[in-house]
Amino acid sequence: GAVVSQHPSRVICKSGTSVKIECRSLDFQATTMFWYRQFPKQSLMLMATSNEGSKATYEQGVEKDKFLINHASLTLSTLTVTSAHPEDSSFYICSASNTFNYGYTFGSGTRLTVV
Amino acid sequence: GQNIDQPTEMTATEGAIVQINCTYQTSGFNGLFWYQQHAGEAPTFLSYNVLDGLEEKGRFSSFLSRSKGYSYLLLKELQMKDSASYLCAVREAYSGAGSYQLTFGKGTKLSVIP
Repeated sequence: GAVVSQHPSRVICKSGTSVKIECRSLDFQATTMFWYRQFPKQSLMLMATSNEGSKATYEQGVEKDKFLINHASLTLSTLTVTSAHPEDSSFYICSASNTFNYGYTFGSGTRLTVV
Repeated sequence: GQNIDQPTEMTATEGAIVQINCTYQTSGFNGLFWYQQHAGEAPTFLSYNVLDGLEEKGRFSSFLSRSKGYSYLLLKELQMKDSASYLCAVREAYSGAGSYQLTFGKGTKLSVIP
């Protein structure tokens, strides 16, 4: 089946620094990657949709200059949280579209804590 | 846009049956998903409905009525490990952003008690 590897699983960073989260599709080509954010006891909120080789499409209210998304290849997409602040602390999850599971495979998530 | 509603919490007894409801409003429907999510983990796929009716997969079944904007997830022979959040997600018609997006409900936290 389709597998998406997401790293790191947990990261703690200081306020003002940047953090990069990687998602790799291991056995299929991910033409589209979705990036979600989930706050405690909340649902997954779509942040942006990225297609390989083109600019990401951000949801309303998501700052594209703060959450940099790169999808340079069919197997790798990255999300960089720039100048992180404590309010950016959240659970970030990627999801790659494919032909398995009716179209979506999720990464294992990254717990970001900004101190 | 979409509006997806599901109960916040439910409690059920081990061995019993529980039904988790989901109602939705969408401008262009293209399928409904149910996912299971344990705390601190990513969602795992449970079921997919795009046509009206019941889809059965082992202890889990999912039902869809498109005219009513309604779905439910049925869990039979509950086990303690079924304690988790259950997310209802709706896929809209093609958005033009490159692929079909999923919009998630807030999830139903199910607690299975002995």
